[in-house]
Amino acid sequence: AQSVTQLDSHVSVSEGTPVLLRCNYSSSYSPSLFWYVQHPNKGLQLLLKYTSAATLVKGINGFEAEFKKSETSFHLTKPSAHMSDAAEYFCVVSTSYGKLTFGQGTILTVHP
Amino acid sequence: ETGVTQTPRHLVMGMTNKKSLKCEQHLGHNAMYWYKQSAKKPLELMFVYSLEERVENNSVPSRFSPECPNSSHLFLHLHTLQPEDSALYLCASSGSSYNEQFFGPGTRLTVL
Repeated sequence: AQSVTQLDSHVSVSEGTPVLLRCNYSSSYSPSLFWYVQHPNKGLQLLLKYTSAATLVKGINGFEAEFKKSETSFHLTKPSAHMSDAAEYFCVVSTSYGKLTFGQGTILTVHP
Repeated sequence: ETGVTQTPRHLVMGMTNKKSLKCEQHLGHNAMYWYKQSAKKPLELMFVYSLEERVENNSVPSRFSPECPNSSHLFLHLHTLQPEDSALYLCASSGSSYNEQFFGPGTRLTVL
């Protein structure tokens, strides 16, 4: 069985400060891991993915995530938040046959 | 729009109505998915089609009936829905059931 836990339901930061969205996973297999972002009234957009290559993964819009097997974590970071980053973020784990399990989501608020 | 499109974007229907949601992908993918996104719940996978064959049905009530006439199109036929079926319905596609999924903008369904 596999599962995903996003440790914070809400994160609030000031514009220009770092962003950290935390995710822990559980999987019986070597997982593929993803972060998706959802802006209000929009579908989900893929930010980045980890598929057993480099453990530090760079994505779009300046986001990156580090796969840490010993900690079963895949936290999402960005050095400097922008107002347009305000959205809901989902950490996702995939089985070896491609079934996705979604976390509950973290709502990121960015203050001016 | 390119990628994955969904129509309609908004739908209001009564419990006795019959309606259909449409999804079209322009990415040349082989797999398509229906998800339900309700407030304060993780994304729920409803149906998976791979090469136009249904490969997964996650105990979805029979009032939801999917149809995949070809690899580019996916429908969700709705009849005698309940108010608790009100949600955002998201369609996704992937190159195979092993790859990351690309999402459409969703259909916001309200059942009165």
